[in-house]
Amino acid sequence: TQLLEQSPQFLSIQEGENLTVYCNSSSVFSSLQWYRQEPGEGPVLLVTVVTGGEVKKLKRLTFQFGDARKDSSLHITAAQPGDTGLYLCAGVPNTGNQFYFGTGTSLTVIP
Amino acid sequence: KAGVTQTPRYLIKTRGQQVTLSCSPISGHRSVSWYQQTPGQGLQFLFEYFSETQRNKGNFPGRFSGRQFSNSRSEMNVSTLELGDSALYLCASRDSYEQYFGPGTRLTVT
Repeated sequence: TQLLEQSPQFLSIQEGENLTVYCNSSSVFSSLQWYRQEPGEGPVLLVTVVTGGEVKKLKRLTFQFGDARKDSSLHITAAQPGDTGLYLCAGVPNTGNQFYFGTGTSLTVIP
Repeated sequence: KAGVTQTPRYLIKTRGQQVTLSCSPISGHRSVSWYQQTPGQGLQFLFEYFSETQRNKGNFPGRFSGRQFSNSRSEMNVSTLELGDSALYLCASRDSYEQYFGPGTRLTVT
């Protein structure tokens, strides 16, 4: 059983469309991170959300941490081909010190 | 600060051999974690070292081992390689709650 479940697992959209990726858990997290990974490379940290209800924006990307700190979402506005990649959520639950990763969302933006 | 570095970047080994991969964390980070990533299984946690002690361990056979040195650099070793060990091996160093990855080592077992 995965501690962090992401949906959808795969997403293929046209350039200019909007999309949302979800990261859910039954556990409370002190913080959650979002990463983007390109094939053959290591994941790159995009953002960390710490406070329940927090919203962070990174250009066309909007990240939200749930009020109960059990879930998070990533919204991309007007997707571009350069957004293509594997998106991963991750964090350390309040009950431990191990990092857990979500199941991943593979995004393809078609020009 | 320099990022996480991993060596080598690419490696080809034969089944039955052993391999050692190296990771240098970001300066000041005492935690180093190792992950295996394959297309079918996603990102799988191997183990985490903190101040030279293994702090967490994933569900991998004993052929996979690691260690951390006093300067926080870490190595992982895989003995008796199998074809299924072909994967991207990622190292990550961590401060309190953020983890940063290296570029990975692509291991191919033939």
